[in-house]
Amino acid sequence: DAGITQSPRHKVTETGTPVTLRCHQTENHRYMYWYRQDPGHGLRLIHYSYGVKDTDKGEVSDGYSVSRSKTEDFLLTLESATSSQTSVYFCAISEPEGADGYTFGSGTRLTVV
Amino acid sequence: AQKVTQAQTEISVVEKEDVTLDCVYETRDTTYYLFWYKQPPSGELVFLIRRNSFDEQNEISGRYSWNFQKSTSSFNFTITASQVVDSAVYFCALSEVLYGGATNKLIFGTGTLLAVQP
Repeated sequence: DAGITQSPRHKVTETGTPVTLRCHQTENHRYMYWYRQDPGHGLRLIHYSYGVKDTDKGEVSDGYSVSRSKTEDFLLTLESATSSQTSVYFCAISEPEGADGYTFGSGTRLTVV
Repeated sequence: AQKVTQAQTEISVVEKEDVTLDCVYETRDTTYYLFWYKQPPSGELVFLIRRNSFDEQNEISGRYSWNFQKSTSSFNFTITASQVVDSAVYFCALSEVLYGGATNKLIFGTGTLLAVQP
């Protein structure tokens, strides 16, 4: 029943390489978000989008960029991966007046070695 | 700035015990939403409840209940007669409300790991 999918689910990459994570939705929701989850920090917002080509930074945006060229896709790019970016990344979608809040993807586990 | 504090890092209970997970929030907004999410060992985030800042009625859903008190900026979550399947990390979160009722980004607490022993 997933209206939101993330790819890849797992990735191991080397320090200094660029990495792109993809979030795809079939719900036509306006808002999309990227969070990272780390022990002791909960989930922290990296970037979010409130429409096609409309994005803004979250609290931990350094080292990350995003793009949203279509309603259904929200890409997160690590420009030059570092070990501190080893984390689980979650994408989420929401509809502004949605009663159920936010729907999260299954997560992407990224390891930077 | 908005902030959510979950002071309990880990809680361990024995099955059938009641357990309360605490959540304290900070916001300057007069209109906001509060959420609880469950993250079982499989890793997905499961929505449990959303509460509007104007609605201070307590809510009960089966074994789950939520106590929202604006006077103390708290939104606590109680599980009655806990079960092993309740073992998970539970997150409290806060969202500002934009013009027209639209919600915006979620601010999460650090989570509480609940372990229910058989």
